[in-house]
Amino acid sequence: QQPVQSPQAVILREGEDAVINCSSSKALYSVHWYRQKHGEAPVFLMILLKGGEQKGHEKISASFNEKKQQSSLYLTTSQLSYSGTYFCGTVDSGGSNYKLTFGKGTLLTVNP
Amino acid sequence: GAGVSQSPSNKVTEKGKDVELRCDPISGHTALYWYRQSLGQGLEFLIYFQGNSAPDKSGLPSDRFSAERTGGSVSTLTIQRTQQEDSAVYLCASSLQGVTQPQHFGDGTRLSIL
Repeated sequence: QQPVQSPQAVILREGEDAVINCSSSKALYSVHWYRQKHGEAPVFLMILLKGGEQKGHEKISASFNEKKQQSSLYLTTSQLSYSGTYFCGTVDSGGSNYKLTFGKGTLLTVNP
Repeated sequence: GAGVSQSPSNKVTEKGKDVELRCDPISGHTALYWYRQSLGQGLEFLIYFQGNSAPDKSGLPSDRFSAERTGGSVSTLTIQRTQQEDSAVYLCASSLQGVTQPQHFGDGTRLSIL
């Protein structure tokens, strides 16, 4: 089952903050976050694992609420370079531990 | 070091023809994934290879799609008798092992079926 991302799109001015949410109908083992710029490959941002472990870039912060089956990505003091489409990918608990199911993405535009 | 390499970067072919897409993962990465991305859509899982284990083909949309991974390294995705709905960007990713590790994506192959 594909996770649901919200919002679908957001426009910011440089320096503003944004939160992108990812919600699943299934119990989750882990959540991945990736950013894709137009015409480029997705780039890894963060992995959040059940139990609280996180792997990712220092300047990126995210949360994973296992009970609510939700994750949020926090983008603070946004820069022009943050523009792109953000995808969350989820791994279900109890399922295969290798299959990522991606959401449809959130388009973030940061303007000067 | 070198990243994930995919070829060709673009492929235009006529409906009904067969196509082969190639992926060369990062050296030492045992996990390899193929995804399909249609315009404005997310990434659709196609197939997963892990070491010498049997691949998970559960995401392949039809029996016209197949993939192999030779020697635990290079992978080829083959689409037979292509249809217009096969037009998409096909992305390959590799990771050290499973989904507790980041996936590193190639630049993809943009496939257009006329």
